[in-house]
Amino acid sequence: KQEVTQIPAALSVPEGENLVLNCSFTDSAIYNLQWFRQDPGKGLTSLLLIQSSQREQTSGRLNASLDKSSGRSTLYIAASQPGDSATYLCAVFGGGSTLGRLYFGRGTQLTVWP
Amino acid sequence: NAGVTQTPKFQVLKTGQSMTLQCAQDMNHEYMSWYRQDPGMGLRLIHYSVGAGITDQGEVPNGYNVSRSTTEDFPLRLLSAAPSQTSVYFCASSPGHGSNQPQHFGDGTRLSIL
Repeated sequence: KQEVTQIPAALSVPEGENLVLNCSFTDSAIYNLQWFRQDPGKGLTSLLLIQSSQREQTSGRLNASLDKSSGRSTLYIAASQPGDSATYLCAVFGGGSTLGRLYFGRGTQLTVWP
Repeated sequence: NAGVTQTPKFQVLKTGQSMTLQCAQDMNHEYMSWYRQDPGMGLRLIHYSVGAGITDQGEVPNGYNVSRSTTEDFPLRLLSAAPSQTSVYFCASSPGHGSNQPQHFGDGTRLSIL
């Protein structure tokens, strides 16, 4: 069974810092990995999707990397802002026998203070 | 652009009652899925569908039924509500289970079982 772990569970930083959020997964037979943002009381918003054959994806101040062989992904946030405060979720879309299933980590709750 | 629409947004039920959570998408997506989100547990897959007429179980299917008679709609039925089903329920869709397109999520249904 695929297990997805996110570290740290919570992070509080001053505005302007560069951040790294970590995600690990136990089964490397994945189709893709996705990073989401969730604001309190809201649904999930997709930030970045990395296909299994890719190493990284970038969108604005966000950069996500994927090392499938070691079962790891990182989300890098440059020059953090208070508006980045949210919970960040990592999810792997299963391949092989788990094709069609999306497995989530428990998230990193980020607070960026002015 | 409606995207993924979930109704109702909030619901309170008594133990033993039944109800249907509605999910509709207007993007002609083949893949749809239901998740529940509980504190400390992250999102867990309940059921998913790779197209009209096809459904499959996820991680936590017990107590829930689904059907997919049209591409647009994927309702989730609670046959006999139990307090353990108190949760926030999210519906998601994407073009296909094998696609490398991100999942689109609804805003959730907050369900309390008394």
